[in-house]
Amino acid sequence: KNEVEQSPQNLTAQEGEFITINCSYSVGISALHWLQQHPGGGIVSLFMLSSGKKKHGRLIATINIQEKHSSLHITASHPRDSAVYICAVNRGAQKLVFGQGTRLTINP
Amino acid sequence: DTGVSQDPRHKITKRGQNVTFRCDPISEHNRLYWYRQTLGQGPEFLTYFQNEAQLEKSRLLSDRFSAERPKGSFSTLEIQRTEQGDSAMYLCASTRGPEAFFGQGTRLTVV
Repeated sequence: KNEVEQSPQNLTAQEGEFITINCSYSVGISALHWLQQHPGGGIVSLFMLSSGKKKHGRLIATINIQEKHSSLHITASHPRDSAVYICAVNRGAQKLVFGQGTRLTINP
Repeated sequence: DTGVSQDPRHKITKRGQNVTFRCDPISEHNRLYWYRQTLGQGPEFLTYFQNEAQLEKSRLLSDRFSAERPKGSFSTLEIQRTEQGDSAMYLCASTRGPEAFFGQGTRLTVV
């Protein structure tokens, strides 16, 4: 079993829909990251969380430390949100352990 | 642009050849990480440096792989005698605290 599990693996939705991507982890962590990867490979950090909730524009990330679970929400989704979203956790020495990613496609 | 640059962006090589990739981190970041990502998977940790010291290596890093960070600034990752299974995206990230900044990656194709 992977230390970091994401669901769903693939998600297709219509423009404007509310999107939720889930991440569960099985180990102690110091922080959890949500990352975005576009075709071509570059990874951009969206959020770093150690507790509670963060919001940036249409993106919201929450974490429940007791339940070892985090969610990434996108409100009013847009085709430009189409990307792979990756959950990653810091475990020792700040190295990251990654989930497999969720491929999100938003259709116009 | 995150401030971390990798070169080259793409590399196609024949099986058995050696390849070298370079990563230039954000200048004040003392930690530098290499990750490998195969198609459809999340990245996996390969190795990391604190300044010029290589502090941890993954079991994924076979003896054909070597990484250096000679002056605590840029880093190189060399793969000797490449195999088709080495085809992947090689990502570099630098940090000073817990937040990581990633380069665009080097996509290696071994034919």
